[in-house]
Amino acid sequence: DIQMTQSPSSLSASVGDRVTITCRASQSISTYLNWYQQKPGKAPKLLMYGASSLQSGVPSRFSGSGSGTDFTLTISSRQPEDFATYYCQQSYSTPYTFGQGTKLEI
Amino acid sequence: EVQLVQSGAEVKKPGESLRISCKGSGYSFTSYWISWVRQTPGKGLEWMGRVDPSDSLIIYSPSLQGHVTISADRSISTAYLQWSSLKASDTAMYYCARLDKVSGTSDSWGQGTLVTVSS
Repeated sequence: DIQMTQSPSSLSASVGDRVTITCRASQSISTYLNWYQQKPGKAPKLLMYGASSLQSGVPSRFSGSGSGTDFTLTISSRQPEDFATYYCQQSYSTPYTFGQGTKLEI
Repeated sequence: EVQLVQSGAEVKKPGESLRISCKGSGYSFTSYWISWVRQTPGKGLEWMGRVDPSDSLIIYSPSLQGHVTISADRSISTAYLQWSSLKASDTAMYYCARLDKVSGTSDSWGQGTLVTVSS
C-alpha cells in the first residue's frame, strides 16, 4: 500500500492567515492526489483533484501543488468557515489511501 | 443534482450480519465506481474498496478483504456493504462515495451510516 503522511497533524491559524498543509507519498503517485475537507458530523467534501485542480464551487483561496511524492494545500487567507479537518488521498493505485488528517483550529 | 443516499443507522450485536446501502441518483450509475470509506470515532478515513456497477468488478483493500462484501445492483442504482459476522471493531461511520473511473477522485459522498456493534 502507498502510505500518505500529512503534516502538521493540527494547526492553529487566525482569520486572514495563509495556511499550508503538506502531504507526502511513500512512492511516486504522479499527480493522482486529492484533497478533502471534513467538518464535524459531515461527510468529506472534495476540494482539489489532480493535485492542483480546484473542484467546482470551491473558493479560489484554496490551491494545491506538487507532483511525485510531495504535495501542498494552501489557503491564501483563512476564513472562519475553513475550520475543519483536511485529508489528502492518493488515487494512483488501490487501496486509495488517505493521510491521517490535519485539523485546522482557531 | 447528484445524490448518494445511504441507509439509516444500525445497532447490532457481535456475530450478527448486516447490509447497508447507498442509492445513487442524478447521474448515470454505471458511469462511475462506488467506493466505501470507514471512519472510526475520532479517527481518520480508511478506504475499504470499490465496485464498478457496470460489471460488478470489485477491488478490496487487502486489510479488509474477507471480512466485508461489496456489491452493486445497477437495476436499482444501489451499492451495498455487508458483513456476515460483525465485530465490535466494526463500530464506525461508513460513507459511500462516487469515484471517477479515470482519476479515482471521490466527487460526491453519501451522508454516512453509523454502525454500532455492542453486546
